[in-house]
Amino acid sequence: QSALTQPASVSGSPGQSITISCTGTSSDVGGYNYVSWYQQHPGKAPKLMIYDVSNRPSGVSNRFSGSKSGNTASLTISGLQAEDEADYYCSSYTSSSLWVFGGGTKLTVL
Amino acid sequence: QITLKESGPTLVKPTQTLTLTCTFSGFSLSTSGVGVGWIRQPPGKALEWLALIYWNDDKRYSPSLKSRLTITKDTSKNQVVLTMTNMDPVDTATYYCAHVTGFRVYYFDYWGQGTLVTVSS
Repeated sequence: QSALTQPASVSGSPGQSITISCTGTSSDVGGYNYVSWYQQHPGKAPKLMIYDVSNRPSGVSNRFSGSKSGNTASLTISGLQAEDEADYYCSSYTSSSLWVFGGGTKLTVL
Repeated sequence: QITLKESGPTLVKPTQTLTLTCTFSGFSLSTSGVGVGWIRQPPGKALEWLALIYWNDDKRYSPSLKSRLTITKDTSKNQVVLTMTNMDPVDTATYYCAHVTGFRVYYFDYWGQGTLVTVSS
């Protein structure tokens, strides 16, 4: 199984919105509504931000939202804040009943 | 409150076998649907899913590492153990264990702090 494809980096100014894409295949992202997104600050463990494409766990800001179209899922962060600067990873369940992660995207808040 | 913590050697030599233990609390691996997975992250690189074990001893492995990995559980001790054979310097990474909460749940909602394993002679 190949890693999901994410842009290496994205950036935005405080208050702006950004979107991070996550492209897979019909055997993972496109085949199931089981895409999740994780935020990772330097030296820290990943934190679940979005599950099942568009659901937010309790305690996660509603500035974070997820969506999917075809084989591409997206994470949108609105009203960017300095604390959002981190690495973001998507993950999907696959047709082989396994998991795959994306290559990660570094978000810089300018 | 669910917590997980990884433990094991910080340094292993090439060709050796790595044994990592995930000790958890706040849930039981005898509860239907629950699972514990392992994910690793080489320094400066992306997350990579390795393996997962469910409450019913159903085991899943990354195809690229399947021949080298074994995942087991000890429900009485609240532990999951991952062994990886024939370690190589490219296996240097922070290894995380993480919790899966139930049926038709395919995300990791709680993570351990991770443990850095360096492979070097």
